[in-house]
Amino acid sequence: AQSVAQPEDQVNVAEGNPLTVKCTYSVSGNPYLFWYVQYPNRGLQFLLKYITGDNLVKGSYGFEAEFNKSQTSFHLKKPSALVSDSALYFCAVRPFNNAGNMLTFGGGTRLMVKP
Amino acid sequence: DAGVTQSPTHLIKTRGQHVTLRCSPISGHKSVSWYQQVLGQGPQFIFQYYEKEERGRGNFPDRFSARQFPNYSSELNVNALLLGDSALYLCASSPRQGLNTEAFFGQGTRLTVV
Repeated sequence: AQSVAQPEDQVNVAEGNPLTVKCTYSVSGNPYLFWYVQYPNRGLQFLLKYITGDNLVKGSYGFEAEFNKSQTSFHLKKPSALVSDSALYFCAVRPFNNAGNMLTFGGGTRLMVKP
Repeated sequence: DAGVTQSPTHLIKTRGQHVTLRCSPISGHKSVSWYQQVLGQGPQFIFQYYEKEERGRGNFPDRFSARQFPNYSSELNVNALLLGDSALYLCASSPRQGLNTEAFFGQGTRLTVV
């Protein structure tokens, strides 16, 4: 069975500084990896995905993520954080043998960007 | 274009009651999935439907059921509600059933069981 770990419940960063939200995964075969963001009382918004190809994936709102197969990681990054980036971030994995929409999510990381 | 719409946005039910949650996917999307998000946790997969057929089921009891209609909208039904069913229920749609397709989520239905 697949699983996703987000080891930090909360990440604090000052506005303008780079941010990293960590994600590691466990899945049989090639993984399909996703990052979503959730604002208060809202659903999930898609940020970016890794399917194949370049290990550095660029997504919405200036976010990017680096896929590292040897470390089974898919960390979310942004060069310069904004206060408006403060939200709950979820990493998710879809196993290669599941053609449906089944996503396995991590527990989430709350990002707090302080002015 | 309208996104994924869910109704109602909030509701309160009593233990033992039944609830029906509704979801309209993005126009042209044929796949709908349901997730349960308990406060402080990540979403948990419940069901996936594609072309009106169930294509996946998560580890949830038989009290949970769903269906997809010819217009691709979907209902999630939960019988004999328990306090532990209190959660945000999320519906997600995708244009097709494929490995590289992202899911687009609605704003969710907040269910409180008292």
